[in-house]
Amino acid sequence: EVQLAESGGGLVQPGGSLRLSCAASGFTFSIYGMSWVRQAPGDGLEWVSAISNSGGITNYADSVKGRFTISRDNSKNTLYLQMNSLRAEDTAVYYCVKGVVGYYYMDVWGKGTTVTVSS
Amino acid sequence: DIQMTQSPSTLSASVGDRVTITCRASQSISNWLAWYQQKPGEAPKLLISKASSLESGVPSRFSGSGSGTEFTLTISSLQPDDFATYYCQQHNTYSRTFGQGTKVEIK
Repeated sequence: EVQLAESGGGLVQPGGSLRLSCAASGFTFSIYGMSWVRQAPGDGLEWVSAISNSGGITNYADSVKGRFTISRDNSKNTLYLQMNSLRAEDTAVYYCVKGVVGYYYMDVWGKGTTVTVSS
Repeated sequence: DIQMTQSPSTLSASVGDRVTITCRASQSISNWLAWYQQKPGEAPKLLISKASSLESGVPSRFSGSGSGTEFTLTISSLQPDDFATYYCQQHNTYSRTFGQGTKVEIK
């Protein structure tokens, strides 16, 4: 069974940093591009960042560009999101999402990890 | 960036109703559109990709259509399990923009 398990969320002060991890299992991780999608409380879905299967290509939403860094370790089947200079508006549930080869949509979602930015 | 606009934002319907949700793109995206269903407290679930391709295991009462800038998600006969929020997402470009969501409520 394909599974994605996020971790690393928590409470952080504005301006602080946090690193999210996503452990993947049940599929050949190194074949698939991966994304992070977030959802602020009571709000809709916002794509945050994506990375190619090899890690060589990364993309970011304008709202996080220059502050967040996506990366992956295919030997550990793990996806990461390094979040720096956090703002209150970054407060959200962050989902790790598996991509589909050759397409920009996403077919498997983790349960999410909650990030709260507050003093 | 491509903007995605869904309508309505909220829809009240009864079990057995035929329900249609519309998604419009700010520029042509061919048929590169996906639909997701999200229930409260759960992660989204992929229903349809490439505008009309039903994912394995998704009930046949769900269908998608459209191309270019206008798309629809139709539920032919609403079931109790279908009360949820539905999101469209363009998969024409890497920016993967979502619509703002349509909440389907019990009438």
